[in-house]
Formats: sequence, structure tokens, C-alpha cells
Amino acid sequence: DGGITQSPKYLFRKEGQNVTLSCEQNLNHDAMYWYRQDPGQGLRLIYYSQIVNDFQKGDIAEGYSVSREKKESFPLTVTSAQKNPTAFYLCASRTSGGYSTDTQYFGPGTRLTVL
Amino acid sequence: AQSVTQPDIHITVSEGASLELRCNYSYGATPYLFWYVQSPGQGLQLLLKYFSGDTLVQGIKGFEAEFKRSQSSFNLRKPSVHWSDAAEYFCAVANNNAGNMLTFGGGTRLMVKP
Repeated sequence: DGGITQSPKYLFRKEGQNVTLSCEQNLNHDAMYWYRQDPGQGLRLIYYSQIVNDFQKGDIAEGYSVSREKKESFPLTVTSAQKNPTAFYLCASRTSGGYSTDTQYFGPGTRLTVL
Repeated sequence: AQSVTQPDIHITVSEGASLELRCNYSYGATPYLFWYVQSPGQGLQLLLKYFSGDTLVQGIKGFEAEFKRSQSSFNLRKPSVHWSDAAEYFCAVANNNAGNMLTFGGGTRLMVKP
């Protein structure tokens, strides 16, 4: 089954702890993205990566870190420096074959709650 | 910088009635526009997209959208709403000079009355 998987679906964290959200895709997509969604709001871009071993900050990168060691994986770490981490996190991926009009496909999301 | 505005935060329609969700964008070049739908606690599903050509685009689940450059709009329509259409709808524009980043509107929550 092709697609994007995110785990876990629900995650609870104590204040001051780092936590890592998983995102895996078997679509052979080059580009991957992390978005944050807060209740009643649209999505905001945290980080994106267009190729392995390279990534760029999005609009709200402070307090987050990522890595892209493999094409199919793009984990997001929410660090203790993120002041308000409780949110719904969505991962997306897209082909990057020179066609800038390709579509982003989304995973099912991870809901992070800081206790 | 590009932006997307969805003026209606909530919309309620009766089942079987027609629907139009508004989307206005700001983008310096030819926009690449998308509509996504999100059910509660789920990821986003693509409904339709506009890249070029015919300004009326057809999507899944009976949805369509019309691109109007003069009005900077990309409104989503459906002639007859079903109860299963209740969800949140997001309009987005792609920045093709920055890794195809999507800028999203704030979303419109659709409720369907029986």
C-alpha cells in the first residue's frame, strides 16, 4: 500500500522534554514537508526538504529540528525550546522532478499534547 | 509574499442545497491553486487543483472550482451537498520559487443540516 505514514497518532509529552515525530513515505517522493495546525487555523510550514541531506526552514522553525538521512524518512523533533508545542502535526510529500506544479500528499497526522 | 484568505470561518447548508466556499489569493505570478478537505482528526485530502488552462476545474466527490484572475479568486462549488461533505476545507497557493511551499487559508468549516 503506497502512502505516507505518521506515528504515533497521539503523543503526550511533559514540559521540558524533547519528542520526535515519525514520517515515512513509500511513494518515492523527493520532497517532504512538516506543517503545524492549531485549532481553527490553517497549516503553517515548519521545515521542508527537497532532497536527502538537505532541508530548509519554513515560517515557524524555531523550537523544531529535522533530519533527512533517507529519502523515505523525515522525522521532526519538537524540542523543549518550542514554547507552545501542543498542536496537530502533518507531514506531506511531493515528487520533485522539475515539475513545480506537482501536488503535495498528506499523512494522517500526529496530535501532540504537552502536559 | 503570497497569502490566502477564506472569508467564511463557518458555513451551514442544508443537505441537497448548493454550496460555494470562497477563496481569495495574493500571489505575484501565475498561481497554482489547490483545495483540500480535512475530516476531524485526519490528514488533508486533495479535492482539486488548478495549474493552467481551463479556468473551471473538476475534482473528486462532485466538487468543482473556478479560477478568476481578475478577482484573484478560486471558489469551490458543489451543486448538491451530502451529509458526508461536512468537514473543514482549505484553499492553498503554491510558491514555486521556494520548494513548492504551500500557503494555506485559515479554512472553512462546513456543517450540513439534515
